[in-house]
Amino acid sequence: EADIYQTPRYLVIGTGKKITLECSQTMGHDKMYWYQQDPGMELHLIHYSYGVNSTEKGDLSSESTVSRIRTEHFPLTLESARPSHTSQYLCASSSNTHTEAFFGQGTRLTVV
Amino acid sequence: AQSVTQPDIHITVSEGASLELRCNYSYGATPYLFWYVQSPGQGLQLLLKYFSGDTLVQGIKGFEAEFKRSQSSFNLRKPSVHWSDAAEYFCAVGGTGGFKTIFGAGTRLFVKA
Repeated sequence: EADIYQTPRYLVIGTGKKITLECSQTMGHDKMYWYQQDPGMELHLIHYSYGVNSTEKGDLSSESTVSRIRTEHFPLTLESARPSHTSQYLCASSSNTHTEAFFGQGTRLTVV
Repeated sequence: AQSVTQPDIHITVSEGASLELRCNYSYGATPYLFWYVQSPGQGLQLLLKYFSGDTLVQGIKGFEAEFKRSQSSFNLRKPSVHWSDAAEYFCAVGGTGGFKTIFGAGTRLFVKA
């Protein structure tokens, strides 16, 4: 069954560490997104991609970076984690013909 | 500018009562409209979507939504709420090609016994 996967589900890490949040989808979707969401709050788009080698910054400024070397893979990297990065990160994908987004389960990141 | 407004931050309804969650949008072309539900600690799950045709769309879990172009609205309804419906609900608008999906701020639904 086609799906979208995020790992890890939960991550607690120390300040200054480099981390990469993984996101993979098996649906062949061209468009992929990263959203940041604080508990009980709205989604903020931080990165999106229209396809391989295409990445754009979203509406909310973020110190994270992304890459899109393969269609199915859209990892997000924080070079130096800080407590202000503590949040839930949601990955999503959609096709070009039907724009409904499919979401992963999310990664809850805590930086101590 | 494209935007989605969910006027109610939170709503409380009694179990078995009817529910309506409001959504208004601003979009320059024919919109593709969606409602998603998010349970605590989870990702978003699609409830229903509207692309074209019949303006009343049926979704999963007994939800339905009605597209009203004249009011730029896409309200979500359910005739009888169950305790398991307590969650956060997001309205969203998108388009084909290069347009990315825009989400509303969400409405948190509380269900009281």
